[in-house]
Amino acid sequence: DTEVTQTPKHLVMGMTNKKSLKCEQHMGHRAMYWYKQKAKKPPELMFVYSYEKLSINESVPSRFSPECPNSSLLNLHLHALQPEDSALYLCASSPPMGLASNEQFFGPGTRLTVL
Amino acid sequence: AQKVTQAQTEISVVEKEDVTLDCVYETRDTTYYLFWYKQPPSGELVFLIRRNSFDEQNEISGRYSWNFQKSTSSFNFTITASQVVDSAVYFCALRSTADRGSTLGRLYFGRGTQLTVWP
Repeated sequence: DTEVTQTPKHLVMGMTNKKSLKCEQHMGHRAMYWYKQKAKKPPELMFVYSYEKLSINESVPSRFSPECPNSSLLNLHLHALQPEDSALYLCASSPPMGLASNEQFFGPGTRLTVL
Repeated sequence: AQKVTQAQTEISVVEKEDVTLDCVYETRDTTYYLFWYKQPPSGELVFLIRRNSFDEQNEISGRYSWNFQKSTSSFNFTITASQVVDSAVYFCALRSTADRGSTLGRLYFGRGTQLTVWP
């Protein structure tokens, strides 16, 4: 199994809603990532988990709350989002951290619209 | 500091034409890795290739080829006999072993090149 899966594919939510994005991989990777991508822009790194511990938080607003319950799962909890948070949210994974050579494998993304 | 520049924002070609996507990078580190990713309209980034700074051999994979030149800090990507299915955004990216962000997981992306192949 060489894929990263993400659910849901599309999500529409109001500014007062609470929702969660889910990401799963079964490649034995121990690093997992959340990216945000706006149209016609490269992905922007949000969070990195290494061995289920948060190693990078790119000063992301607290209305985004990541969680890594085990080595295969990564969640992104959303609360009180703003319309400007509408974007494609990508999850990625890679083999154990500390190796700059490791390529990241991306999931298909969740297209989020905040009304 | 790590930086990747993809000067071509959009390229349009007709099927069967060859096309080259440019990537220029900046790093002061001696050990680094360069990557190309493809992002079709569906959204998923697909890993295409990784090249390390010590290996300047060009690589060919089917219709794809990559030209790595350290002297000009470039890692260009050529698609031969392009097809409509090649239409996508292509990103070049960089990580270096001496950059703390890289070892923690940060990939430095270029802004991407939108390739459109017309039938």
